[in-house]
Amino acid sequence: EPEVTQTPSHQVTQMGQEVILRCVPISNHLYFYWYRQILGQKVEFLVSFYNNEISEKSEIFDDQFSVERPDGSNFTLKIRSTKLEDSAMYFCASIRSQGGNTIYFGEGSWLTVV
Amino acid sequence: KQEVTQIPAALSVPEGENLVLNCSFTDSAIYNLQWFRQDPGKGLTSLLLIQSSQREQTSGRLNASLDKSSGRSTLYIAASQPGDSATYLCAVDSGGGADGLTFGKGTHLIIQP
Repeated sequence: EPEVTQTPSHQVTQMGQEVILRCVPISNHLYFYWYRQILGQKVEFLVSFYNNEISEKSEIFDDQFSVERPDGSNFTLKIRSTKLEDSAMYFCASIRSQGGNTIYFGEGSWLTVV
Repeated sequence: KQEVTQIPAALSVPEGENLVLNCSFTDSAIYNLQWFRQDPGKGLTSLLLIQSSQREQTSGRLNASLDKSSGRSTLYIAASQPGDSATYLCAVDSGGGADGLTFGKGTHLIIQP
């Protein structure tokens, strides 16, 4: 069974610090996503990425966030200056192509900002 | 803006019962609807995907229906087992994939042995 892998599984960081969350999508997938889930709340879409550029982004994905696919396998989410309210589980997901294919989520990276 | 609501928020039933989880969405212009399972502290696993042109999908003991015009979907679980205990999330794709999925808050299901 193919899987999306994410690292780290858990990170604690001080407010104002930069954080990079890493994801390895499934190898033949073309569309990549980041979602987040604040404890007790809904899973929320952050950004979609295709062909080495952002396809869409939500209101949450402000200038503090950026994504990159640096080497053809990793897909990263960077938060430049973390805030307390950035504490959440961040999920990476990938899909082979749009139009109704199964989306695969990673196990998540739990970010705690203190 | 698409909103997804799931009822009930939590459900506890004895093993062996059949049960129905409900999902409603405000904008019927969707591409597809998916049901996911989330175990505590884990990622999301896709269970069933229903295209907008379909009425239902089945996988084993799971059956999902879609009534797009009324903005409703149900997930039917037959002969529930303790291993079915998890949070079940409903999500709609309103933008063809690029816009991401809009999720409900989920139904926390406990199956009592």
